[in-house]
Amino acid sequence: GEDVEQSLFLSVREGDSSVINCTYTDSSSTYLYWYKQEPGAGLQLLTYIFSNMDMKQDQRLTVLLNKKDKHLSLRIADTQTGDSAIYFCAGGLGGYSTLTFGKGTMLLVSP
Amino acid sequence: DSGVTQTPKHLITATGQRVTLRCSPRSGDLSVYWYQQSLDQGLQFLIQYYNGEERAKGNILERFSAQQFPDLHSELNLSSLELGDSALYFCASSAYRDGGTEAFFGQGTRLTVV
Repeated sequence: GEDVEQSLFLSVREGDSSVINCTYTDSSSTYLYWYKQEPGAGLQLLTYIFSNMDMKQDQRLTVLLNKKDKHLSLRIADTQTGDSAIYFCAGGLGGYSTLTFGKGTMLLVSP
Repeated sequence: DSGVTQTPKHLITATGQRVTLRCSPRSGDLSVYWYQQSLDQGLQFLIQYYNGEERAKGNILERFSAQQFPDLHSELNLSSLELGDSALYFCASSAYRDGGTEAFFGQGTRLTVV
């Protein structure tokens, strides 16, 4: 089955860019997702990318997909303290398939 | 607000007991998923229902069961509870639109088994 790996922790200063990385094993993953979880809250869907795309931009968020290396990244421009949270990468086959999640990357933004 | 409602938010119960977690999906979403989040295992998929029928099964223990009702709400039943069942249980519902699938998660039910 799918295996999704993420680095566990990232610390940045407010105003800097953050880049959260993810690798996945199943090349048949059709959709790759980024979710954000704030303390005590549920998972918030930030964005997703279809596997035939290389990049997707949504305001401060940029998703890059390197399908050859099975590498996905999420770049947050002008990171704010409110961006401090755990970010999960997930892969799925689309349709009504289930999602396989990484263990999450904790992003800490300091003033 | 994702539109997915889970109740209760918190649950504390003793070992050996049985609990029921409830989920109301977003309006119009036919598919419901249950996930368990624990510190050591991360987010683990448990089970999925689509329009009342079981569609996929993940790492769900035999002591756990779920169902989806005609009004599309779902319940996750956890029985003979053990300390290790303490976790955050999430429900998600999904819709397939514009060629993509979006899964939206509820706030979760935090289960503490003592």
